[in-house]
Amino acid sequence: DAGITQSPRHKVTETGTPVTLRCHQTENHRYMYWYRQDPGHGLRLIHYSYGVKDTDKGEVSDGYSVSRSKTEDFLLTLESATSSQTSVYFCAISDKGQVYEQYFGPGTRLTVT
Amino acid sequence: QKEVEQDPGPLSVPEGAIVSLNCTYSNSAFQYFMWYRQYSRKGPELLMYTYSSGNKEDGRFTAQVDKSSKYISLFIRDSQPSDSATYLCAMSNYGGATNKLIFGTGTLLAVQP
Repeated sequence: DAGITQSPRHKVTETGTPVTLRCHQTENHRYMYWYRQDPGHGLRLIHYSYGVKDTDKGEVSDGYSVSRSKTEDFLLTLESATSSQTSVYFCAISDKGQVYEQYFGPGTRLTVT
Repeated sequence: QKEVEQDPGPLSVPEGAIVSLNCTYSNSAFQYFMWYRQYSRKGPELLMYTYSSGNKEDGRFTAQVDKSSKYISLFIRDSQPSDSATYLCAMSNYGGATNKLIFGTGTLLAVQP
């Protein structure tokens, strides 16, 4: 998975609790992305980062925040988890930011009960 | 209507068959067309990308884009059981990092030995 790890790999949490997912890369790529994958919707972009402390919203950013304090780490936070945020979350990285060179991590399966 | 439509399958074929996977789209501005392979419980893996129209071949895989029909295809020759996976198409207007990548929902392929 192109030097990308995600943690945790599985998590079950209760509605209303905060949750942070971590993406760690060893490739020194500038661009990092968070997607969610749901049946019937495909992959949808939540947030992305184009450098340390530089982030922007994606298609489905409501209820999510991100932070990137180091090149290698990109954190996704659900401030107050809801059942609609039950999903599989994928991190992706890109060196030059071209849409045709995004490499995905192994995913985090999050269940909000 | 979704911007990208993909038959979810499942598609079951015998080993050695030629497989045709397809996506249709509605946005005529799409110029970059990608195919990803996703094994169960894994992250998507980039297989091929094509810019604008035409064909691109890589080993047993051929990607075709017909912009006049807004239709893209991925052909797999001499299919193998190891090709069993979900295949995702993805598209974008431009190649840069700030441009949205739109994914299809994926087609599940099973190659029977």
